[in-house]
Formats: sequence, C-alpha cells, structure tokens
Amino acid sequence: EVQLVQSGAEVKKPGESLKISCQVSGFRFTSYWIGWVRQMPGKALEWVAIIYPGDSDARYSPSFEGRVTISADKSISTAYLQWSSLKASDTAMYYCARQSLRITSFDIWGQGTMVTVSS
Amino acid sequence: SYVLTQPPSVSVAPGQTARITCGGSNIGSKSVHWYQQKPGQAPVLVVYDDSDRPSGIPERFSGSNSGNTATLTISRVEAGDEADYYCQVYDSDSDHWVFGGGTKLTVL
Repeated sequence: EVQLVQSGAEVKKPGESLKISCQVSGFRFTSYWIGWVRQMPGKALEWVAIIYPGDSDARYSPSFEGRVTISADKSISTAYLQWSSLKASDTAMYYCARQSLRITSFDIWGQGTMVTVSS
Repeated sequence: SYVLTQPPSVSVAPGQTARITCGGSNIGSKSVHWYQQKPGQAPVLVVYDDSDRPSGIPERFSGSNSGNTATLTISRVEAGDEADYYCQVYDSDSDHWVFGGGTKLTVL
C-alpha cells in the first residue's frame, strides 16, 4: 500500500527549532517528488517546498524560502521540513504529498502534522 | 507570481450539478488539478490534468479547462460532496506550484 506517514503534532516556543518528517512506503522514494503544503487554521492550502530525493533537487515557494529547509534521507525513505527559528505565524497543519515525474498533481497525501508555536 | 482565483463558496441542491471555477491568466495552457478536502482530513485528488480521474473517484466528478478558466463539475451532487475544493497548477515560468484560494461547496 502506498503511504506517507508523518510525524506527530508538535508544540514549540517562538525561536525554537523543529524538524518534521514524512516517511513513505509502497513506492520507490527516489522516483517521485515529495512536496510540503501548509494550511493555517481555517485557511487555504499553500505550497511550501518540494524535493526530488533521487538527487536532492529542491524548490521553494518565495513565501517560504529562507524560512524553512526541505531535505530527504534516501536510506530511510523519509523527507523532512525544518525550521531554525519558529514564529507564532508558523502555527499550521503541514502536509507532505507525492508528485510523479510526469504529472504535476499531488496524488497521495500524508495525514498532516500540526505545528503549534506559542509562548 | 501566478495567481489562481476561485469563488469562496458555491451552493447547490442535492441531485443538481455544481460547477466550481478556477481563473488564471491563460490557464488553458496549463494542467489543472483539483482536490477535495473535508473537515479534519487531508486533501484528496479528484481530477488531474484538467479532466482525468484517479482510480476510485466517481464519474460524477469531471473537469474542463480553456482560455482563462478551468472548471470542476460535480454531477448529481450528494450530501457527502460537501467540502472545500482547491485547484492547483504547476507554473513552469516560475518553477512553482500554486493553489487556488479554495471554494466551499455547500449542499443545501
């Protein structure tokens, strides 16, 4: 079964660092793009970043570049999204999702990781 | 950057047809994808490449794309179709992925 399983909910303070994960199974990790999508409470989906684990090629939304880092570990079929210094405005649900090489849609999604940043 | 515009809400009676639009500059030249998101759940892909359906998605869901508007059409609407719907494209000019602002479908 094709699956993307994300790490659990996080509660952090402003200024703290965080790394959330997305472990995939049921398909070849290095043959698909893995993207991250943010959804702030009650708001729309926003594309954050995407990585091709085969060669670690990465793209960032201008809205998030410099604020987050996307990475991937091929040995454990896991993608990551990390922050070095969280802000309250980073509070949101973050989804990882799979995209094939040929079709630019996100066909399989993880269950989401809720990140809460509060003092 | 490329912008996708959706109406905030669409209402339809059960059994009728719902049409949700997604506007963008020359969107007809891009591949448009549509997602359904129910409260508390992750999005689900319902239409890709303008008009194709993933396996398991009912034929009641269809899509079209021309000029400056793409449309998701849901025929014979059911109560279970009530959800938020998002369009999405890949903008090759900027090498960015873009989502629309979402449309809340209400089944009356």
